[in-house]
Amino acid sequence: ETGVTQTPRHLVMGMTNKKSLKCEQHLGHNAMYWYKQSAKKPLELMFVYSLEERVENNSVPSRFSPECPNSSHLFLHLHTLQPEDSALYLCASSPQRQSNQPQHFGDGTRLSIL
Amino acid sequence: GDSVTQMEGPVTLSEEAFLTINCTYTATGYPSLFWYVQYPGEGLQLLLKATKADDKGSNKGFEATYRKETTSFHLEKGSVQVSDSAVYFCALSDYNQGGKLIFGQGTELSVKP
Repeated sequence: ETGVTQTPRHLVMGMTNKKSLKCEQHLGHNAMYWYKQSAKKPLELMFVYSLEERVENNSVPSRFSPECPNSSHLFLHLHTLQPEDSALYLCASSPQRQSNQPQHFGDGTRLSIL
Repeated sequence: GDSVTQMEGPVTLSEEAFLTINCTYTATGYPSLFWYVQYPGEGLQLLLKATKADDKGSNKGFEATYRKETTSFHLEKGSVQVSDSAVYFCALSDYNQGGKLIFGQGTELSVKP
């Protein structure tokens, strides 16, 4: 039990589909993160939310649209994705954004773009 | 900017062998240091951490000591098991950089029976 739950675990979609990834944390944390993990590449931080406000967007294409309706839930809305977007998408949370506390990760959503 | 460098994998060991995975870092401030582990098909799990110089983090037989003088945080285990096969990530978090986690590229460990 990681305390951070991601759904779905696997997603296959065409380039014209619209889908959403969901992340929920049960740890009472105030900061949440989206990462992209591609084969043979370091983890890429995509978005950071602190108290439901987006505080960082690392030059992510607009076909990825995050949403944080409350401090426990984080979504990543996907639209018109490209084959190179196939990857493992990881959600994480931490007590506060600006702290040296560790982040807690979910098990990820394995996304495949046809 | 801050960065983390890990030894390249894959590392292949026999069961009960001694493990060392090297990690060095560069940081402008006084970061906290972490080792995360990723088992096949799963997300990252915190393995151990150290928040200041000379701290030793330990968990599940793994250890790492925060060495400020050599800017290192090498991961060690005296006797690995097949179940330790995973990818290991060294990471730092620097308050001066907004607490962002900076990861190394990961080191794949494969332990053979």
